[in-house]
Amino acid sequence: GAVVSQHPSRVICKSGTSVKIECRSLDFQATTMFWYRQFPKKSLMLMATSNEGSKATYEQGVEKDKFLINHASLTLSTLTVTSAHPEDSSFYICSARDQGQGRNIQYFGAGTRLSVL
Amino acid sequence: EDQVTQSPEALRLQEGESSSLNCSYTVSGLRGLFWYRQDPGKGPEFLFTLYSAGEEKEKERLKATLTKKESFLHITAPKPEDSATYLCAVRSNYGGATNKLIFGTGTLLAVQP
Repeated sequence: GAVVSQHPSRVICKSGTSVKIECRSLDFQATTMFWYRQFPKKSLMLMATSNEGSKATYEQGVEKDKFLINHASLTLSTLTVTSAHPEDSSFYICSARDQGQGRNIQYFGAGTRLSVL
Repeated sequence: EDQVTQSPEALRLQEGESSSLNCSYTVSGLRGLFWYRQDPGKGPEFLFTLYSAGEEKEKERLKATLTKKESFLHITAPKPEDSATYLCAVRSNYGGATNKLIFGTGTLLAVQP
């Protein structure tokens, strides 16, 4: 299957600082990427849909000013958690949509464990 | 509203003991049902996509089937390395958004040697 790289895998930061997470599709171009959040023993919660060259679409209840998304190229989307607080600590996972040759499959990164002190 | 329900929440099997995981769904226009495997602390790994009732797909010890209301993931003679959380997701026409996946809460499978 296609490869999606997510970096960093783990980050610890102080309250009030900003953290940037990168998501790259390594062997395909992705006009659409997605950002999810996963709580312990829970399923994935979609936060936003990232569209290359345009503004991201946020799910209801997700603060767009807190979770900044940039999708400047067909292989890279970034999520910046601004002014992070302990309640933002979570497991963040990105996915990229592979539409090559009639496919429409989301491939996921390995996730980023964010801990805010 | 689209919904995905997976059962059981957790399943413990002995090595070699075959079983099935269930994914029931209600969607307004199914545009694909997906199975993923997720290991602890990792992102989901794509397994299968099914699009229409009657469709089946296989990969090693796993076989996924689809009806109009549910999907099954059959595990034949499982091994300890099959232990993981198995997630089911659907893509539908709900709200005109044809790219969003709606995930179930997963089945945690533990295969004991």
